[in-house]
Amino acid sequence: AQSVTQLGSHVSVSEGALVLLRCNYSSSVPPYLFWYVQYPNQGLQLLLKYTSAATLVKGINGFEAEFKKSETSFHLTKPSAHMSDAAEYFCAVSVVGASKIIFGSGTRLSIRP
Amino acid sequence: DTGVSQDPRHKITKRGQNVTFRCDPISEHNRLYWYRQTLGQGPEFLTYFQNEAQLEKSRLLSDRFSAERPKGSFSTLEIQRTEQGDSAMYLCASSLDGIAGSNTRYFGPGTRLTVL
Repeated sequence: AQSVTQLGSHVSVSEGALVLLRCNYSSSVPPYLFWYVQYPNQGLQLLLKYTSAATLVKGINGFEAEFKKSETSFHLTKPSAHMSDAAEYFCAVSVVGASKIIFGSGTRLSIRP
Repeated sequence: DTGVSQDPRHKITKRGQNVTFRCDPISEHNRLYWYRQTLGQGPEFLTYFQNEAQLEKSRLLSDRFSAERPKGSFSTLEIQRTEQGDSAMYLCASSLDGIAGSNTRYFGPGTRLTVL
């Protein structure tokens, strides 16, 4: 079975600072990994996904994530935070042939002016 | 591409009542998923359709829950005899054929259910 663990339910950074949201996965077979963002009272929007191509994945809104098999990690980063980045972020995992993706419990990102 | 739509966006009901939610996926998408999200948690998988066939159901989907996708287009999720524990956001997502597992799910805005 697959699972993801998001370290830190709440992260707060200053505007312009580096954003780092941590995700570790567990999977017995090569995983597919996703980051989704959710703004208040809205559905989830895909930021980026890893599907066994390049290990450094670039997504929308300046976010990127690096797949590190040795560390079973897929951390999300952004060099410079904007106020508009304040939202809930979910890491998720799936595998070949799976019908569902498994979500982590989420990390709420706050941006300080 | 108008995105995934869900109706209603909010539903308040009394315990014991039945409720039905509708999901309209992106028109060319043949796969449709229902998820449930409670406060402070990530979405949890409920069920999955490929065209009109319901291929997988989670153990979370008790006998009071039923989902249909009669013509392989829109889907409905019905909850009978609602309980306060059913209060949650119900999310629908759709995707196109591809390598199962990697295909991107596009989510709707959700239906927030409150059971009093």
